[in-house]
Amino acid sequence: SQQGEEDPQALSIQEGENATMNCSYKTSINNLQWYRQNSGRGLVHLILIRSNEREKHSGRLRVTLDTSKKSSSLLITASRAADTASYFCATDDPSNTGKLIFGQGTTLQVKP
Amino acid sequence: DTGVSQDPRHKITKRGQNVTFRCDPISEHNRLYWYRQTLGQGPEFLTYFQNEAQLEKSRLLSDRFSAERPKGSFSTLEIQRTEQGDSAMYLCASSGTPISYEQYFGPGTRLTVT
Repeated sequence: SQQGEEDPQALSIQEGENATMNCSYKTSINNLQWYRQNSGRGLVHLILIRSNEREKHSGRLRVTLDTSKKSSSLLITASRAADTASYFCATDDPSNTGKLIFGQGTTLQVKP
Repeated sequence: DTGVSQDPRHKITKRGQNVTFRCDPISEHNRLYWYRQTLGQGPEFLTYFQNEAQLEKSRLLSDRFSAERPKGSFSTLEIQRTEQGDSAMYLCASSGTPISYEQYFGPGTRLTVT
């Protein structure tokens, strides 16, 4: 079963604009990760934020985590056409098996 | 380090046939995961191995599904008597020790059951 929902389901922006995607989850977590998936391909890890962190940056990516609201957001600044992909948040299973529980994803289209 | 590889990349089969997929994880990773992804959805966990031991199976993994990881290296996922509902992308991922939450995914095997 899916962990939660991502919002929006689809997002279309112009190159250079910022893109914000939100993720909600249901259970307690140790960490939350964001992955990118290009059409028909495997997933690529982008960034991991631990439950005791509130914000993390990696290049043009900024992730926030609000454990009280069980939500996270991914901000991509100065978007590029190459950022066109689906983005998924994933939380770790509370049983510490390491398995990931994914959201339904946000499809981002960046128009050149 | 050549990353996680999966074979085949695409498989078209007729309903009722058996299929087997292979995953080669990153060599030093002891944890290996299988996920299934249908169109427009996020991946859903199927099963995972720590070394050669299969430690958890999802309820999604019916009796027709079996997975192995002999010698703790590559893994195979077999689906017997395929059904149209099995059509999906099957993704393999691996991670290292100590527990590394980051998982490295293979390109996936796209299964189409006709």
